[in-house]
Amino acid sequence: GQQLNQSPQSMFIQEGEDVSMNCTSSSIFNTWLWYKQDPGEGPVLLIALYKAGELTSNGRLTAQFGITRKDSFLNISASIPSDVGIYFCAGQRVGGGSNYKLTFGKGTLLTVNP
Amino acid sequence: ETGVTQSPTHLIKTRGQQVTLRCSSQSGHNTVSWYQQALGQGPQFIFQYYREEENGRGNFPPRFSGLQFPNYSSELNVNALELDDSALYLCASSTGTTSGANVLTFGAGSRLTVL
Repeated sequence: GQQLNQSPQSMFIQEGEDVSMNCTSSSIFNTWLWYKQDPGEGPVLLIALYKAGELTSNGRLTAQFGITRKDSFLNISASIPSDVGIYFCAGQRVGGGSNYKLTFGKGTLLTVNP
Repeated sequence: ETGVTQSPTHLIKTRGQQVTLRCSSQSGHNTVSWYQQALGQGPQFIFQYYREEENGRGNFPPRFSGLQFPNYSSELNVNALELDDSALYLCASSTGTTSGANVLTFGAGSRLTVL
């Protein structure tokens, strides 16, 4: 099935560093979402973006909905050990009978060295 | 407020067998979606249920079927299991209807291993 192009695949950083990851698609989405998944758990929503160009923050996390509606990025500032996990982007279309499914990227594995 | 709960958490089956996975949606949510997550991949949409009817399906064969009950809980059934069906099966619930953005809340998943 289709998956979004998410990069990088993995990152190994030092505590306190900033992190940036992005996601691109060949098709347009109306909504972009970023999830984090810890081992043995389901994905947990971090940020939802609903409008092209929208920039939204949630604590140390900032995400933007690209103006072309085909991309999004997530930044994490001043990383801490509990940021470790797999981060997924997901796109959703609204309307036209296809407003229900999420298309996910393959994920970015983040490791934070204390 | 209880979240999305799934059972069983882990199970092992052999090729050709059938499996039923169960999901209780978050309180107040009326829509349930199922996703398959293979190792090292992002979740892939299987199907969604709203008002006890299938409301969209991903690229999965008919041997993947589901049900939604009046209390909004749901089952995923997979017949004639194949080795490639080994994956984490995620259930997600939301308050969305057939229009508008659905913000999904995921359960912890059921880990299926097919031998």
